[in-house]
Amino acid sequence: EVQLLESGGGLVQPGGSLILSCAASGFTFSSYAMSWVRQAPGQGLEWVSSISVSGSGGSTNYADSVKGRFTISRDNSKNTLYLQMHSLRAEDTAVYYCAKDLVGGGYDRHFDYWGQGTLVTVSS
Amino acid sequence: IQMTQSPSSVSASVGDRVTISCRASQGITGWLGWYQQKPGKAPKLLIYAVSSLQSGVPSRFSGSGSGTEFTLTISSLQPEDFATYYCQQAHSFPRSFGQGTKLEIK
Repeated sequence: EVQLLESGGGLVQPGGSLILSCAASGFTFSSYAMSWVRQAPGQGLEWVSSISVSGSGGSTNYADSVKGRFTISRDNSKNTLYLQMHSLRAEDTAVYYCAKDLVGGGYDRHFDYWGQGTLVTVSS
Repeated sequence: IQMTQSPSSVSASVGDRVTISCRASQGITGWLGWYQQKPGKAPKLLIYAVSSLQSGVPSRFSGSGSGTEFTLTISSLQPEDFATYYCQQAHSFPRSFGQGTKLEIK
């Protein structure tokens, strides 16, 4: 059974930093692109970032709203996805979901499994 | 690529046929998906690559379209279908979602 378990969310002051983790199990983690998608309270879904499989260079992509502040990475030996978040702003407040790509190999396309989400609140 | 859904909300009854539209700001070649989200839950993939039904999703859900115009159709609404629906393009980076369509009980 595929499971994605996010952790690391919490309350942080504006300008602060946080690292989110997503522990994956039930599939060959290294063979799938992975993504972070967020949802601000009462709002819609926003794609944040994705990382391809290592065979595609482990390339990364970011939403314009987080580019230069967030860094996505993966540790295939630990089956874990990360999101380092710096210079956090009030508008980064959201539930952050990690999501697995539907089709193995290459880049992310559509997301067939999602974690339960972790809440990040940026406030003084 | 901007994704625009219409309507933003719709009221319907059990048994109704419902159509939700999604328009892309530029042509996307086949990488269009649809998700269902219920309150407090993670989204669920319904349709991928415009018209492919995700495993385990009831056949009353279908997707169609091409270019910039896409549609999600629910042929006969069931009580468990009342939720918010999002389209998502995977044609290019950055990936993007529509703003959502809330399907409510009439």
